[in-house]
Amino acid sequence: KAGVTQTPRYLIKTRGQQVTLSCSPISGHRSVSWYQQTPGQGLQFLFEYFSETQRNKGNFPGRFSGRQFSNSRSEMNVSTLELGDSALYLCASSLYRGENYGYTFGSGTRLTVV
Amino acid sequence: AQSVTQLGSHVSVSEGALVLLRCNYSSSVPPYLFWYVQYPNQGLQLLLKYTSAATLVKGINGFEAEFKKSETSFHLTKPSAHMSDAAEYFCAVSETGANSKLTFGKGITLSVRP
Repeated sequence: KAGVTQTPRYLIKTRGQQVTLSCSPISGHRSVSWYQQTPGQGLQFLFEYFSETQRNKGNFPGRFSGRQFSNSRSEMNVSTLELGDSALYLCASSLYRGENYGYTFGSGTRLTVV
Repeated sequence: AQSVTQLGSHVSVSEGALVLLRCNYSSSVPPYLFWYVQYPNQGLQLLLKYTSAATLVKGINGFEAEFKKSETSFHLTKPSAHMSDAAEYFCAVSETGANSKLTFGKGITLSVRP
């Protein structure tokens, strides 16, 4: 079965612009989480969505937002991009919320802000 | 609050040698523990997970880890390293209950010498 699909794989944006990243979870998975990975801060939790509702949020500014659609696909948006937003953004899906049996990660979207 | 400590940022072993990657965790409730591997320009792949069943957990590619509550450790081992094991390895903790976010360690880069 298909894994977690993230699009696009690579993205270059200019400071001040906004960007939208997409994540399609494994078919049947209802929970989608987003993580930011940078060399300096490592992997940090952004937010989690389940049944179209944000259930948990990490310590990121309000410029970072997301949503989940009825088919469980999720998007995250970053507005007013800063150089420090350059990172690999990873999406992970799991069958249920709070299911601690392992999350399946996508290959990520590498965002470069110039 | 939960946290993960991975001592050292880089481990180098010879092909065929024992691989030992250390992970210590902190959690206020019984934790779920994971090891993930990341190859260059890819997402995270689950190696193994501890979910309060057997304390010795076997994963993919010959890796295993042992949960030791008294030492708050979950070290990853593999008896014989292969060149293809060269990658970055992340230990992660998740608490039981509704807060299912993963908290990651800083990661360890494993190099395998021929």
